[in-house]
Amino acid sequence: DARVTQTPRHKVTEMGQEVTMRCQPILGHNTVFWYRQTMMQGLELLAYFRNRAPLDDSGMPKDRFSAEMPDATLATLKIQPSEPRDSAVYFCASGLVTGTGANSYNSPLHFGNGTRLTVT
Amino acid sequence: DAKTTQPNSMESNEEEPVHLPCNHSTISGTDYIHWYRQLPSQGPEYVIHGLTSNVNNRMASLAIAEDRKSSTLILHRATLRDAAVYYCILRARGGGYNKLIFGAGTRLAVHP
Repeated sequence: DARVTQTPRHKVTEMGQEVTMRCQPILGHNTVFWYRQTMMQGLELLAYFRNRAPLDDSGMPKDRFSAEMPDATLATLKIQPSEPRDSAVYFCASGLVTGTGANSYNSPLHFGNGTRLTVT
Repeated sequence: DAKTTQPNSMESNEEEPVHLPCNHSTISGTDYIHWYRQLPSQGPEYVIHGLTSNVNNRMASLAIAEDRKSSTLILHRATLRDAAVYYCILRARGGGYNKLIFGAGTRLAVHP
């Protein structure tokens, strides 16, 4: 089975350091989502890309978070500077959108196993 | 986004059927009903989705009320591996960007 791959699986860092999380979407998928999960907030949508273009990053703190897709096989989520409140599990998901407008079809999302970030 | 309501937790015994309910009284005519589940220490995984008719796949069945204001995910024979958080989510049909917004879900415990 094709899988979404996220690296690293675990990251422990000190407050103020830069953190970069990476995601390899399933080959052929044209949408990428970034989610964050905490005990208090559950799963929150941070950003959405289609065909490598960011279409929605309204869930992301703009001052310290940035998300990019340098190419179709790599999505990155960067935090600079990191803070203890950023401690969470960050999930990447990919899917396929075909067609346009009312006739477009969104495939189910495939999630990676996440990056567990601890900021001390 | 239309909201769904699920019980916080449910319990089942192994080998027994499990019916996980979901209320979505404000569902619109273009909303699909999606179910995902999250096993411990893993990302969510897709289970099933439907629009109006009941749906079956190798993982589960989805029963949708005639008025579409509620649905039930059915696991025909629960196994210990089915212990997970189950999320019922409404996702618009068509229109391009259709994000998945997760609620708190139902935590299912399966007892041997």
